[in-house]
Amino acid sequence: SQTIHQWPATLVQPVGSPLSLECTVEGTSNPNLYWYRQAAGRGLQLLFYSVGIGQISSEVPQNLSASRPQDRQFILSSKKLLLSDSGFYLCASNSGTYNEQFFGPGTRLTVL
Amino acid sequence: GENVEQHPSTLSVQEGDSAVIKCTYSDSASNYFPWYKQELGKRPQLIIDIRSNVGEKKDQRIAVTLNKTAKHFSLHITETQPEDSAVYFCAATLVSGGYNKLIFGAGTRLAVHP
Repeated sequence: SQTIHQWPATLVQPVGSPLSLECTVEGTSNPNLYWYRQAAGRGLQLLFYSVGIGQISSEVPQNLSASRPQDRQFILSSKKLLLSDSGFYLCASNSGTYNEQFFGPGTRLTVL
Repeated sequence: GENVEQHPSTLSVQEGDSAVIKCTYSDSASNYFPWYKQELGKRPQLIIDIRSNVGEKKDQRIAVTLNKTAKHFSLHITETQPEDSAVYFCAATLVSGGYNKLIFGAGTRLAVHP
């Protein structure tokens, strides 16, 4: 079964600073990868998904970007953080015949 | 595109009672319907799912039913326990090779009181 790693687990950043969150997946190959954001007490908002290396689709216009430099690595970035970027960032992966989607442990980002 | 509505937004039950959460979807082509449980501060965990070729699926105290004609599906938890307290999300998608983009409901906060 696949294992999803995310780091850092928590992050406090000032407004205007850059961001880089990393997600790696073990135990599978050619996964579809997803970045979600969850504001406090809210639902799951899909930000980006990727079906392969270098292939990124954006769901919501924003000041975030994503990259997939390797098959099992997915990175979420920003050049200048906004207060509204605060939230719980979840990486997810699905692969194989049954397409179940599993989530990583998440990164809790606070922008001050 | 797909739209998923989930009700109720909050649900409070006594330990031992049953809990039912309902979702409706808009895209008749959707064929995969997972349910996730999210405890406070944790990641969503897949607890059960159903595909459009079956009407019901059970796993111990939880079950999911699907009515394709009415485009709704429900989560049933029997003999609730305090550890069932969490936020539950339903989702729907069309799985057709490649990736599947889950569309999530807004969530139901379930509180089970001892």
